[in-house]
Amino acid sequence: ETGVTQTPRHLVMGMTNKKSLKCEQHLGHNAMYWYKQSAKKPLELMFVYNFKEQTENNSVPSRFSPECPNSSHLFLHLHTLQPEDSALYLCASSPTAASGGASTDTQYFGPGTRLTVL
Amino acid sequence: AQTVTQSQPEMSVQEAETVTLSCTYDTSESDYYLFWYKQPPSRQMILVIRQEAYKQQNATENRFSVNFQKAAKSFSLKISDSQLGDAAMYFCASQGGSEKLVFGKGTKLTVNP
Repeated sequence: ETGVTQTPRHLVMGMTNKKSLKCEQHLGHNAMYWYKQSAKKPLELMFVYNFKEQTENNSVPSRFSPECPNSSHLFLHLHTLQPEDSALYLCASSPTAASGGASTDTQYFGPGTRLTVL
Repeated sequence: AQTVTQSQPEMSVQEAETVTLSCTYDTSESDYYLFWYKQPPSRQMILVIRQEAYKQQNATENRFSVNFQKAAKSFSLKISDSQLGDAAMYFCASQGGSEKLVFGKGTKLTVNP
């Protein structure tokens, strides 16, 4: 297993709930990412943080709110989600990320949080 | 913008046999990297192999090798001596220059005993 952990592994929430996903990396990396993985669709990059600064927001709805208090931790705050937001949410980290979310450093992924919105 | 296409949604192979997964990509970048990631069922995605576009030599990692055809923008993955543990979703990805890491839709590989 890689040094990227995510909690919870499974989450079921109603459309009016507020919940948070947590990601932690133990690799000493400076860049962290949130991806959405839906069935039969390519992984979609959502957010990129580099040295705690958000460098990419890939037109993500405001009901998803990221937070990066330090280079090791990344959160995704969820509120008033829709059923179509049900997916596997993956966190990743890499040594660095250039501006715009681009980096040719290898990204290391966490196990993901399986989110179901009822 | 980059695009990555995996034309095989599913593939199967007999244990100990060889299988090739296809990937084509398109990019306007002159310097880029290509990746194959493996995502086993209910387990996290891990890097299988990485290729720098400026290197002509195909990357290899033990039983995994790539056939990188730069002019054709093709980047296939060959798995030799397939094992049951190779069963997974395999994602091809491309990244370069100012572009983000872009993934294909994936190929589900089944290994039959």
